[in-house]
Amino acid sequence: KAGVTQTPRYLIKTRGQQVTLSCSPISGHRSVSWYQQTPGQGLQFLFEYFSETQRNKGNFPGRFSGRQFSNSRSEMNVSTLELGDSALYLCASSPRTSGGYTGELFFGEGSRLTVL
Amino acid sequence: QQQVKQSPQSLIVQKGGISIINCAYENTAFDYFPWYQQFPGKGPALLIAIRPDVSEKKEGRFTISFNKSAKQFSLHIMDSQPGDSATYFCAASRGTDKLIFGTGTRLQVFP
Repeated sequence: KAGVTQTPRYLIKTRGQQVTLSCSPISGHRSVSWYQQTPGQGLQFLFEYFSETQRNKGNFPGRFSGRQFSNSRSEMNVSTLELGDSALYLCASSPRTSGGYTGELFFGEGSRLTVL
Repeated sequence: QQQVKQSPQSLIVQKGGISIINCAYENTAFDYFPWYQQFPGKGPALLIAIRPDVSEKKEGRFTISFNKSAKQFSLHIMDSQPGDSATYFCAASRGTDKLIFGTGTRLQVFP
């Protein structure tokens, strides 16, 4: 079974630009979560999607948005990039069901964003 | 109240030694406590997890100890090996809510 795939793996942007990151979950997984990883801050939760609906949302500004498609693939977008947005963005899929409790997350290798 | 505090930030252990990483939480409603392991260039992967109805769970050389009254849980790595060198994250969640991670511990095991 293929794992979680994230694209692109690396990208460099300048302040003010926007970026879109893509995530393909493990086949059969309908839950996709996004995390931002920075040194010293650990993994900060961005949002979770389940069957195309945002189910949970973290404490990030509105510049951070996401969506999920009918095939469970997900994208996140960051508009008006700031230097502080430089980070590793991790996508994780989960086999959890609609009312299922949080369980194991399967992470991709991440998209490393550098903002200059 | 939603935070999970992890210590130490870094840890150096000799091969064969015991590595201990600690985490503390405030929210008594948390009901799932996993530990994730991350190697450089890779995403985190689940190592071991525990629910609050047990005080200890062991899988091979890895053990979670859980102290509900103190609101603390820890990861013990017995007979630490150089291949265990990685960053370890504790986490916690409540029901169907998001998984909240600690800030991570970088473990280095020297031969």
